[in-house]
Amino acid sequence: AQSVTQLDSQVPVFEEAPVELRCNYSSSVSVYLFWYVQYPNQGLQLLLKYLSGSTLVESINGFEAEFNKSQTSFHLRKPSVHISDTAEYFCAVKRRDSWGKLQFGAGTQVVVTP
Amino acid sequence: GAGVSQSPRYKVAKRGQDVALRCDPISGHVSLFWYQQALGQGPEFLTYFQNEAQLDKSGLPSDRFFAERPEGSVSTLKIQRTQQEDSAVYLCASSLDQGLGAGEQFFGPGTRLTVL
Repeated sequence: AQSVTQLDSQVPVFEEAPVELRCNYSSSVSVYLFWYVQYPNQGLQLLLKYLSGSTLVESINGFEAEFNKSQTSFHLRKPSVHISDTAEYFCAVKRRDSWGKLQFGAGTQVVVTP
Repeated sequence: GAGVSQSPRYKVAKRGQDVALRCDPISGHVSLFWYQQALGQGPEFLTYFQNEAQLDKSGLPSDRFFAERPEGSVSTLKIQRTQQEDSAVYLCASSLDQGLGAGEQFFGPGTRLTVL
């Protein structure tokens, strides 16, 4: 069985400040790791994913996440946020040995203020 | 209109009514998933189709929930005798991937079901 824990339910942050969203997971088998984002009144969108290889993965809009196997973490960071980054962010895992169902964390609401 | 669409976007049902929620996946996508998202929670897996075959229904909470994808494209999630605890957003996702990889799942906007 797997579980995904997002340690912060809400993260307020000022524009141009850095942000880190924490995600820890547990699994008895090897998994793929994902971050999804849900902007207000929109569907979930894939932000980035870790499959294998380099433990640091980046998105096109400046986010990055680092896979840490020993700590079973996949924290998401951005060095300087914009107002438009206000959204809910979900960490998710998928077992490598089974069909594609994703298991999500409870989400972290990021509110960026000027 | 290349994305996943769902209808209706909002549904209000009286307790005990049956409801049907529709999902139109991206054309050509083999895999289709249904998730349930309760208020303040992350999405929870309900069921998975590969083409018309329902390969995993382990997440359906009770036998009141039924899903189908008869022609391998459009899918319908049906809930019989709705209860208040069924109130949630129901999300549909599709993927070109046949399930064992890490292909991106594209999500629809969801149907918000409120049971009174």
